[in-house]
Order: sequence, then structure tokens, then C-alpha cells
Amino acid sequence: GAVVSQHPSWVICKSGTSVKIECRSLDFQATTMFWYRQFPKQSLMLMATSNEGSKATYEQGVEKDKFLINHASLTLSTLTVTSAHPEDSSFYICSAGDTSGRVSYEQYFGPGTRLTVT
Amino acid sequence: GEDVEQSLFLSVREGDSSVINCTYTDSSSTYLYWYKQEPGAGLQLLTYIFSNMDMKQDQRLTVLLNKKDKHLSLRIADTQTGDSAIYFCAESNTGGFKTIFGAGTRLFVKA
Repeated sequence: GAVVSQHPSWVICKSGTSVKIECRSLDFQATTMFWYRQFPKQSLMLMATSNEGSKATYEQGVEKDKFLINHASLTLSTLTVTSAHPEDSSFYICSAGDTSGRVSYEQYFGPGTRLTVT
Repeated sequence: GEDVEQSLFLSVREGDSSVINCTYTDSSSTYLYWYKQEPGAGLQLLTYIFSNMDMKQDQRLTVLLNKKDKHLSLRIADTQTGDSAIYFCAESNTGGFKTIFGAGTRLFVKA
């Protein structure tokens, strides 16, 4: 089946620094990737939709200058948390849609990245 | 806006059936999903149903959809301890992959 990887799986950083999280579709091409944030014991909150070769579409209330998204290729999207603060600590999950025609309605989720800002 | 609601907790005994319920508000929902999340892991698609279907069965899983009431349920037959996880109900429409998730139901299976 389709596999999505995330790197790193966990990261600890100091307040004020920036952190980059990678999301890769390993065996399929994804023109669309999604970035979610999950708080403990809560649902996934969609942060933004990442489209290959164009600007990301951010959900209401998500600061685009703080959460920089780049979707440079059909297999890679990155989320950079800039000037991180402790309240940015969370579990970040990406997903990718398989647009090759195999299964068009399904998203494949990465394993998530746990970010802790000290 | 779109909203998906589900109960937050369910406890069953091993071997019993589990039924997790979900309601949604978007009448244009085309795809309805059930995802499973184990601790510290990402989401795994368990099953899905198209909005023009009433029921779908996949081994131990049965999905029932009442489109009129916008109610979706997931039944797990012969629930095992390995089924303990958080189950998310989700919906999307024909506009694309954008998916709205419920808050998740934490299933606890007692041996």
C-alpha cells in the first residue's frame, strides 16, 4: 500500500528556534498533501493544504508566517515552525492524497512528528 | 461550517461487539471514513463508505450509514484487546481530499 513517511519522528527544540518537518510519499505521487496538528486527546485540526508548485492554503486561524509550508515536488512537502514557542508543542501529522488514479478518495497518513519546545 | 461529532469513550469486554457512533452536518459529504489511531502513531484507514451506500461489511467491521439523519456507525464484532485505540470518524465531499475529523472515540477493551 501507499506509504507516507515523516522526519523527524520527534524533536525537541529551544524557544525561538525554527524546526523543519518533512513529509514524503514513498511510492506514489501526491499533488496534494495536508498538514494536521493534534493536541493530546483531541482530534486532528487541519492546518493547511499543500499543493505542489503553488502556495499552500491555510485554514482560518493558522498563521502562515509562522507555519511555512513548501511543496517543492510531487513526493515532498515540508512544514517549518518558525520562532517556536512552548505552545507550538504538539503532534504534527501529514497526509497525502494518491492522485495517480489508483485510489483517489483516500489519504495516507504519516506516522506523525512530536514537537516539544522548551 | 462542517462538523463531525462522536462520543469520546467506549468500554467493552473482550469478545463483545463494539458500536461507535458519529454524526455529521455536511449534507454534501460524499465519503465517510473510519480511522484508527494507536498511541503515538499516525492514522490508519480502517474502512470507508460512499454516501450512496447504506451498509458496508469488511470482515469484523460493519459500517452503517443513515444519510437522512447524517449518522454513521462502526460495529466491531468479537472485539479484541488489540482493538483498543482511538477511532476517528471523518467525512469529505467531492471537492477534494479535505477531510473533517471528529474528536475521536477512545475504545477500551477489557480482557
